[in-house]
Amino acid sequence: AQKVTQAQTEISVVEKEDVTLDCVYETRDTTYYLFWYKQPPSGELVFLIRRNSFDEQNEISGRYSWNFQKSTSSFNFTITASQVVDSAVYFCALSEAEVDSGNTPLVFGKGTRLSVIA
Amino acid sequence: DSGVTQTPKHLITATGQRVTLRCSPRSGDLSVYWYQQSLDQGLQFLIQYYNGEERAKGNILERFSAQQFPDLHSELNLSSLELGDSALYFCASSLGLAVYNEQFFGPGTRLTVL
Repeated sequence: AQKVTQAQTEISVVEKEDVTLDCVYETRDTTYYLFWYKQPPSGELVFLIRRNSFDEQNEISGRYSWNFQKSTSSFNFTITASQVVDSAVYFCALSEAEVDSGNTPLVFGKGTRLSVIA
Repeated sequence: DSGVTQTPKHLITATGQRVTLRCSPRSGDLSVYWYQQSLDQGLQFLIQYYNGEERAKGNILERFSAQQFPDLHSELNLSSLELGDSALYFCASSLGLAVYNEQFFGPGTRLTVL
């Protein structure tokens, strides 16, 4: 069965600090996708990144970077030089690829609430 | 703005009542998903439709039902409401069924059952 664990419930950092949000997943499939979503205080879910199981290259997008390691089943998210606007709940999610139906819906972790203090 | 719309934004009702939540997917998207976000259960998948047909079911209660109409909008019906049904209900849409199709989320409907 699929499972996503975000062990950090809440993290608080001072502005300009770097912060890493951890995500560990479980799946029996060899083909799957991992996602990160951001939920700011306004409540909507904002897509940040998608990574497939065959691509272990790290990705950087501005101040955001992601480290995918299949050996440890982890897909961690780092924010460099954090800003107050980064304050939000961040969710890691997993979707497996099924031959017949195409995909499985997203399984989300419990989320990590990040507070960036000015 | 994701392009997915949900109405109403807020809904307050009493136990035992029935409500309908509406979702309009992004233009061109055929797949619609419903998720429930509650404090104790987190974000959970409820049900998925693709081009009018049910494709996958998650932790959806028997008191809940959904459908996707020919114009691709979807409705989630919640009946015999209980206090524990209070939650944020999200609709998401994607182009098709492929797992790499990104799911775009609507702003959610916050349901409060009193």
